[in-house]
Amino acid sequence: ETGVTQTPRHLVMGMTNKKSLKCEQHLGHNAMYWYKQSAKKPLELMFVYSLEERVENNSVPSRFSPECPNSSHLFLHLHTLQPEDSALYLCASSPGQGKGYYEQYFGPGTRLTVT
Amino acid sequence: TQLLEQSPQFLSIQEGENLTVYCNSSSVFSSLQWYRQEPGEGPVLLVTVVTGGEVKKLKRLTFQFGDARKDSSLHITAAQPGDTGLYLCAGAQGNYGQNFVFGPGTRLSVLP
Repeated sequence: ETGVTQTPRHLVMGMTNKKSLKCEQHLGHNAMYWYKQSAKKPLELMFVYSLEERVENNSVPSRFSPECPNSSHLFLHLHTLQPEDSALYLCASSPGQGKGYYEQYFGPGTRLTVT
Repeated sequence: TQLLEQSPQFLSIQEGENLTVYCNSSSVFSSLQWYRQEPGEGPVLLVTVVTGGEVKKLKRLTFQFGDARKDSSLHITAAQPGDTGLYLCAGAQGNYGQNFVFGPGTRLSVLP
């Protein structure tokens, strides 16, 4: 247990569906991250939130919409996805601004399949 | 985006052997992390190195950060089957070091 939980662990959705991924951290951290991990590709950073403000958006398509209502929770809203979006989506947290970004703690991930 | 390369991509060894894996970049990072990831799980942080030339030891694992802070190595002594996994390095960039770039990983298999 890393102190970062993700739900659901597995998700199958059609291209016209709307779904959301949830991440929660119990570590008192200020920064949270979404990553995409595809087969045969390095982990790709998608979004970074620091103190509930989005500080990084790595050219992610608008069909992915993040939300950070407070420093403990992070959501990734999904709509009209494509089959190539199938991947493991990982959430992470780190102590953040003023405390150091060096250490990242990852959740177990959500395995997403788009049919 | 700064790229990180890792070598070898795959490594299969017998229990008790020693091994070294490498993480290289043409760019400088403010810090570098090593993670191990097992199937179906998220990466788990092993170590963070910050200072050029720094060496850290974690039981049978020795981590080194290059003098120029562009490369790093991970050496495992007397590997065990429990060391099996995907080893990832990540470099921190951005104004506060909040943006992480990951290498593709080295997949290690230690056979009993």
